[in-house]
Amino acid sequence: DARVTQTPRHKVTEMGQEVTMRCQPILGHNTVFWYRQTMMQGLELLAYFRNRAPLDDSGMPKDRFSAEMPDATLATLKIQPSEPRDSAVYFCASGLILGRESYEQYFGPGTRLTVT
Amino acid sequence: GEDVEQSLFLSVREGDSSVINCTYTDSSSTYLYWYKQEPGAGLQLLTYIFSNMDMKQDQRLTVLLNKKDKHLSLRIADTQTGDSAIYFCASSGRDTGRRALTFGSGTRLQVQP
Repeated sequence: DARVTQTPRHKVTEMGQEVTMRCQPILGHNTVFWYRQTMMQGLELLAYFRNRAPLDDSGMPKDRFSAEMPDATLATLKIQPSEPRDSAVYFCASGLILGRESYEQYFGPGTRLTVT
Repeated sequence: GEDVEQSLFLSVREGDSSVINCTYTDSSSTYLYWYKQEPGAGLQLLTYIFSNMDMKQDQRLTVLLNKKDKHLSLRIADTQTGDSAIYFCASSGRDTGRRALTFGSGTRLQVQP
């Protein structure tokens, strides 16, 4: 049963610390997405990659967030320095292309980040 | 930009049918999706429909698409307590630009025994 895995599942950190979240996409999927979910904003797309190349990171605060895919089995999302307003659940999704800008996306279980 | 809207809450009795509605603004949407999110979990892709279809059925789930009115619905037959979750409608297509998917705010379905 192929699944997207994310680590850690929970992270509590102090303001100013670096946070790294990891995602292993489903083998064979060539697109990876990072989302953030909060009660106030709902689901927000932060960035996405196709064939490991970043296609769009316009949803990400560039001064503190960075997303990379060092290889096809690993995607990372880093926050440095973290702030309390970054507290949210961060989801990774991997997917297959259905058509132009359309994807069949499968979500991981999420990383719940709390910044105090 | 694209907007996807859903009602916030629906309550049904176990065994009844549930109908969750969604409207979208982008007439060029090519695919429309339904996701389910249970507490503490990620989003689970339930089904999706291509814009040239009117209906898609998958076991207890029926998706209806009215492209003229830009209205999408998800019908769950014989609703069970395990169906209690938040259901998200999403669209993708040309005018969503490079944002891949636009999600609605989710409809919380509560199934009463």
